Amino acid sequence: DGGITQSPKYLFRKEGQNVTLSCEQNLNHDAMYWYRQDPGQGLRLIYYSQIVNDFQKGDIAEGYSVSREKKESFPLTVTSAQKNPTAFYLCASSRAGDRGPYGYTFGSGTRLTVV
Amino acid sequence: SQQGEEDPQALSIQEGENATMNCSYKTSINNLQWYRQNSGRGLVHLILIRSNEREKHSGRLRVTLDTSKKSSSLLITASRAADTASYFCATGNTGRRALTFGSGTRLQVQP
Repeated sequence: DGGITQSPKYLFRKEGQNVTLSCEQNLNHDAMYWYRQDPGQGLRLIYYSQIVNDFQKGDIAEGYSVSREKKESFPLTVTSAQKNPTAFYLCASSRAGDRGPYGYTFGSGTRLTVV
Repeated sequence: SQQGEEDPQALSIQEGENATMNCSYKTSINNLQWYRQNSGRGLVHLILIRSNEREKHSGRLRVTLDTSKKSSSLLITASRAADTASYFCATGNTGRRALTFGSGTRLQVQP
Protein backbone atom coordinates (compact mmCIF):
# COMPACT_ATOMS: atom_id res chain seq x y z
CA ASP A 1 0.00 0.00 0.00
CA GLY A 2 1.27 3.46 -0.84
CA GLY A 3 1.38 6.00 1.90
CA ILE A 4 3.33 8.49 3.93
CA THR A 5 4.95 7.58 7.24
CA GLN A 6 5.98 9.90 10.00
CA SER A 7 8.12 8.84 12.93
CA PRO A 8 8.25 8.90 15.81
CA LYS A 9 4.63 9.38 16.85
CA TYR A 10 5.68 11.08 20.10
CA LEU A 11 8.95 12.92 20.74
CA PHE A 12 10.27 14.66 23.80
CA ARG A 13 12.95 17.30 23.52
CA LYS A 14 15.07 18.84 26.23
CA GLU A 15 15.83 22.53 26.21
CA GLY A 16 18.69 23.37 23.82
CA GLN A 17 18.50 20.05 21.98
CA ASN A 18 18.07 19.52 18.24
CA VAL A 19 15.65 16.80 17.16
CA THR A 20 14.82 15.37 13.73
CA LEU A 21 11.38 14.25 12.61
CA SER A 22 11.22 11.67 9.87
CA CYS A 23 8.85 11.71 6.87
CA GLU A 24 8.93 9.02 4.18
CA GLN A 25 6.53 8.48 1.27
CA ASN A 26 6.21 5.75 -1.34
CA LEU A 27 3.57 7.50 -3.46
CA ASN A 28 6.10 8.70 -6.06
CA HIS A 29 5.09 12.27 -5.26
CA ASP A 30 7.49 15.05 -6.23
CA ALA A 31 6.26 17.59 -3.68
CA MET A 32 6.53 17.33 0.10
CA TYR A 33 5.54 19.69 2.90
CA TRP A 34 5.90 20.29 6.63
CA TYR A 35 3.21 22.00 8.69
CA ARG A 36 2.88 22.82 12.35
CA GLN A 37 -0.43 22.68 14.20
CA ASP A 38 -0.98 24.19 17.63
CA PRO A 39 -3.96 23.16 19.80
CA GLY A 40 -7.27 24.27 18.31
CA GLN A 41 -5.50 25.97 15.42
CA GLY A 42 -5.09 25.55 11.71
CA LEU A 43 -1.91 24.44 9.97
CA ARG A 44 1.04 26.74 9.39
CA LEU A 45 3.58 26.05 6.67
CA ILE A 46 7.19 25.50 7.77
CA TYR A 47 8.99 24.31 4.61
CA TYR A 48 8.09 22.75 1.30
CA SER A 49 9.90 21.08 -1.56
CA GLN A 50 8.78 20.60 -5.15
CA ILE A 51 11.77 18.58 -6.29
CA VAL A 52 14.82 16.78 -4.95
CA ASN A 53 17.64 19.03 -3.70
CA ASP A 54 15.38 22.09 -3.62
CA PHE A 55 13.12 23.50 -0.91
CA GLN A 56 11.50 26.80 0.08
CA LYS A 57 10.73 28.47 3.40
CA GLY A 58 7.15 28.72 4.49
CA ASP A 59 5.59 31.18 6.90
CA ILE A 60 7.32 29.99 10.08
CA ALA A 61 10.71 28.58 8.96
CA GLU A 62 12.79 30.20 11.72
CA GLY A 63 14.27 27.61 14.05
CA TYR A 64 13.69 24.73 11.60
CA SER A 65 15.78 23.12 8.86
CA VAL A 66 15.08 20.50 6.18
CA SER A 67 16.84 18.48 3.52
CA ARG A 68 15.57 16.75 0.38
CA GLU A 69 18.30 14.38 -0.76
CA LYS A 70 15.87 11.69 -1.90
CA LYS A 71 12.46 11.92 -3.52
CA GLU A 72 10.96 9.69 -0.83
CA SER A 73 12.29 11.52 2.23
CA PHE A 74 11.89 15.01 3.72
CA PRO A 75 13.21 15.12 7.30
CA LEU A 76 12.58 18.15 9.51
CA THR A 77 15.06 19.24 12.18
CA VAL A 78 13.76 21.34 15.04
CA THR A 79 16.76 23.29 16.27
CA SER A 80 17.47 24.88 19.63
CA ALA A 81 16.73 28.23 17.99
CA GLN A 82 13.02 27.32 17.88
CA LYS A 83 11.86 28.78 21.18
CA ASN A 84 8.40 27.26 21.33
CA PRO A 85 8.57 23.89 19.54
CA THR A 86 5.82 22.07 21.44
CA ALA A 87 3.24 21.29 18.73
CA PHE A 88 1.82 18.65 16.40
CA TYR A 89 3.91 18.35 13.23
CA LEU A 90 2.35 17.12 10.00
CA CYS A 91 4.13 16.03 6.85
CA ALA A 92 2.32 15.78 3.52
CA SER A 93 3.07 14.95 -0.09
CA SER A 94 1.40 15.61 -3.43
CA ARG A 95 1.90 15.63 -7.17
CA ALA A 96 3.62 18.73 -8.44
CA GLY A 97 2.65 20.78 -11.48
CA ASP A 98 1.63 24.14 -12.84
CA ARG A 99 -2.04 23.70 -11.92
CA GLY A 100 -1.23 22.79 -8.35
CA PRO A 101 -0.91 22.53 -5.53
CA TYR A 102 -2.78 19.24 -5.83
CA GLY A 103 -4.49 17.29 -3.11
CA TYR A 104 -2.24 16.31 -0.23
CA THR A 105 -1.73 12.96 1.40
CA PHE A 106 -0.87 13.50 5.06
CA GLY A 107 1.09 11.42 7.50
CA SER A 108 -0.31 10.66 10.95
CA GLY A 109 1.80 13.32 12.63
CA THR A 110 4.48 13.65 15.29
CA ARG A 111 3.63 15.23 18.63
CA LEU A 112 6.69 17.07 19.96
CA THR A 113 6.89 18.13 23.59
CA VAL A 114 9.63 20.13 25.27
CA VAL A 115 10.49 18.80 28.73
CA SER B 1 -0.46 33.61 7.42
CA GLN B 2 -3.97 32.16 7.53
CA GLN B 3 -5.59 32.87 4.18
CA GLY B 4 -8.80 30.97 4.78
CA GLU B 5 -11.17 31.65 7.63
CA GLU B 6 -13.87 29.13 8.36
CA ASP B 7 -17.24 29.95 9.77
CA PRO B 8 -18.60 28.84 12.15
CA GLN B 9 -15.70 27.87 14.41
CA ALA B 10 -17.85 25.13 15.94
CA LEU B 11 -21.08 23.45 14.89
CA SER B 12 -23.23 20.90 16.71
CA ILE B 13 -26.06 19.10 14.92
CA GLN B 14 -28.15 15.95 15.20
CA GLU B 15 -27.56 12.87 13.11
CA GLY B 16 -29.45 13.10 9.82
CA GLU B 17 -29.27 16.89 9.62
CA ASN B 18 -27.20 18.78 7.06
CA ALA B 19 -24.03 20.62 8.06
CA THR B 20 -22.81 23.71 6.24
CA MET B 21 -19.38 25.24 6.73
CA ASN B 22 -18.10 28.37 5.05
CA CYS B 23 -14.64 29.53 4.09
CA SER B 24 -13.46 32.97 3.06
CA TYR B 25 -10.07 33.79 1.57
CA LYS B 26 -8.16 36.89 0.54
CA THR B 27 -6.10 36.39 -2.62
CA SER B 28 -6.67 34.89 -6.06
CA ILE B 29 -6.48 31.10 -6.16
CA ASN B 30 -5.84 28.14 -8.49
CA ASN B 31 -7.99 25.86 -6.43
CA LEU B 32 -9.61 25.42 -3.07
CA GLN B 33 -9.58 22.17 -1.14
CA TRP B 34 -11.40 20.78 1.89
CA TYR B 35 -9.88 18.41 4.42
CA ARG B 36 -11.14 16.52 7.45
CA GLN B 37 -9.16 15.85 10.63
CA ASN B 38 -10.17 13.45 13.35
CA SER B 39 -8.78 14.35 16.75
CA GLY B 40 -5.03 13.83 16.99
CA ARG B 41 -4.74 12.44 13.47
CA GLY B 42 -3.48 13.58 10.09
CA LEU B 43 -5.77 15.35 7.64
CA VAL B 44 -7.69 13.56 4.93
CA HIS B 45 -8.34 15.17 1.55
CA LEU B 46 -12.05 15.42 0.77
CA ILE B 47 -12.49 17.44 -2.39
CA LEU B 48 -10.73 19.92 -4.69
CA ILE B 49 -12.54 22.60 -6.67
CA ARG B 50 -10.75 24.64 -9.33
CA SER B 51 -11.09 28.39 -9.69
CA ASN B 52 -13.12 27.98 -12.91
CA GLU B 53 -15.63 25.63 -11.26
CA ARG B 54 -18.67 26.73 -9.28
CA GLU B 55 -19.90 23.51 -7.72
CA LYS B 56 -18.65 20.00 -7.14
CA HIS B 57 -20.14 16.88 -5.57
CA SER B 58 -18.60 13.82 -3.98
CA GLY B 59 -20.97 11.40 -2.28
CA ARG B 60 -22.68 13.31 0.55
CA LEU B 61 -20.40 16.31 0.06
CA ARG B 62 -21.24 19.38 -1.98
CA VAL B 63 -18.77 22.22 -2.40
CA THR B 64 -19.47 25.59 -3.95
CA LEU B 65 -17.00 28.29 -4.92
CA ASP B 66 -17.70 31.96 -5.53
CA THR B 67 -14.50 33.62 -6.70
CA SER B 68 -16.15 37.05 -6.89
CA LYS B 69 -16.86 36.88 -3.16
CA LYS B 70 -13.72 34.88 -2.41
CA SER B 71 -15.75 32.30 -0.53
CA SER B 72 -16.57 28.61 -0.53
CA SER B 73 -19.00 26.40 1.32
CA LEU B 74 -18.94 22.72 2.23
CA LEU B 75 -22.28 20.98 2.71
CA ILE B 76 -22.45 17.54 4.31
CA THR B 77 -25.88 16.02 3.79
CA ALA B 78 -27.56 13.46 6.07
CA SER B 79 -24.77 13.70 8.62
CA ARG B 80 -23.62 10.73 10.70
CA ALA B 81 -21.88 10.49 14.05
CA ALA B 82 -18.76 9.38 12.14
CA ASP B 83 -18.66 12.82 10.45
CA THR B 84 -17.60 14.32 13.80
CA ALA B 85 -14.25 15.96 13.07
CA SER B 86 -12.60 19.28 12.26
CA TYR B 87 -12.93 20.52 8.70
CA PHE B 88 -10.39 22.80 7.06
CA CYS B 89 -10.39 24.71 3.81
CA ALA B 90 -7.08 25.28 2.05
CA THR B 91 -6.22 27.49 -0.88
CA GLY B 92 -3.57 27.11 -3.52
CA ASN B 93 -2.17 29.58 -6.02
CA THR B 94 0.63 29.63 -8.57
CA GLY B 95 2.65 32.15 -6.56
CA ARG B 96 3.36 29.60 -3.85
CA ARG B 97 3.19 25.93 -4.59
CA ALA B 98 1.88 25.01 -1.18
CA LEU B 99 -1.56 25.17 0.42
CA THR B 100 -2.55 27.80 2.96
CA PHE B 101 -4.98 26.41 5.54
CA GLY B 102 -7.77 28.09 7.43
CA SER B 103 -8.44 27.77 11.14
CA GLY B 104 -11.07 25.06 10.80
CA THR B 105 -14.64 24.27 11.83
CA ARG B 106 -15.21 21.70 14.60
CA LEU B 107 -18.26 19.64 13.73
CA GLN B 108 -20.02 17.55 16.38
CA VAL B 109 -22.76 15.20 15.15
CA GLN B 110 -24.93 13.96 18.00
CA PRO B 111 -26.29 10.40 17.58
